[in-house]
Amino acid sequence: DTAVSQTPKYLVTQMGNDKSIKCEQNLGHDTMYWYKQDSKKFLKIMFSYNNKELIINETVPNRFSPKSPDKAHLNLHINSLELGDSAVYFCASSHYGGGSGNTIYFGEGSWLTVV
Amino acid sequence: GQSLEQPSEVTAVEGAIVQINCTYQTSGFYGLSWYQQHDGGAPTFLSYNALDGLEETGRFSSFLSRSDSYGYLLLQELQMKDSASYFCAVKRSSNTGKLIFGQGTTLQVKP
Repeated sequence: DTAVSQTPKYLVTQMGNDKSIKCEQNLGHDTMYWYKQDSKKFLKIMFSYNNKELIINETVPNRFSPKSPDKAHLNLHINSLELGDSAVYFCASSHYGGGSGNTIYFGEGSWLTVV
Repeated sequence: GQSLEQPSEVTAVEGAIVQINCTYQTSGFYGLSWYQQHDGGAPTFLSYNALDGLEETGRFSSFLSRSDSYGYLLLQELQMKDSASYFCAVKRSSNTGKLIFGQGTTLQVKP
């Protein structure tokens, strides 16, 4: 069973389109995250939810809107896609505060290419 | 600001030992984590140090010196499958799992 699963894995879309990435975790965690990895492999947090409540909102364009329908799901919707949004988006989860050992579990990533 | 410095690339041969250093400068520090990421894959947790000293997990060990704002990941008995990127990441406070990542070190293991 996949612990943190996200769909789609690959997404190619045109500038100006709106797209969503979905994420689900079956680890029983109460905290979920979205990270963005750019072409230089730099990983940066975008958002975090704890029990459906937004707790981290980094400096991200408001074209990006996360939604957490329940603590096992965290989706990312992106409006008016731009070339610079091309990246790998990782969903992740953990117990609150990172849990014992601060272990964060990452999904396999969603590779977004904007053309 | 926040900054974590680690070498961009390291090359070693199978069976060798390699150390990947990480120095950090962050506003707030609670612990240092290490993650491994193979090409096209997900970052996976390797270790976490909240206190000074050495943590050992099989062939991998991680060290932290809070006074020096420095840590390292030590990989022993290198195997070809260890070829990957390794990231250090700072946890800034106890009540968040948020991580500030370094730029990553690409380790290439040669036969």
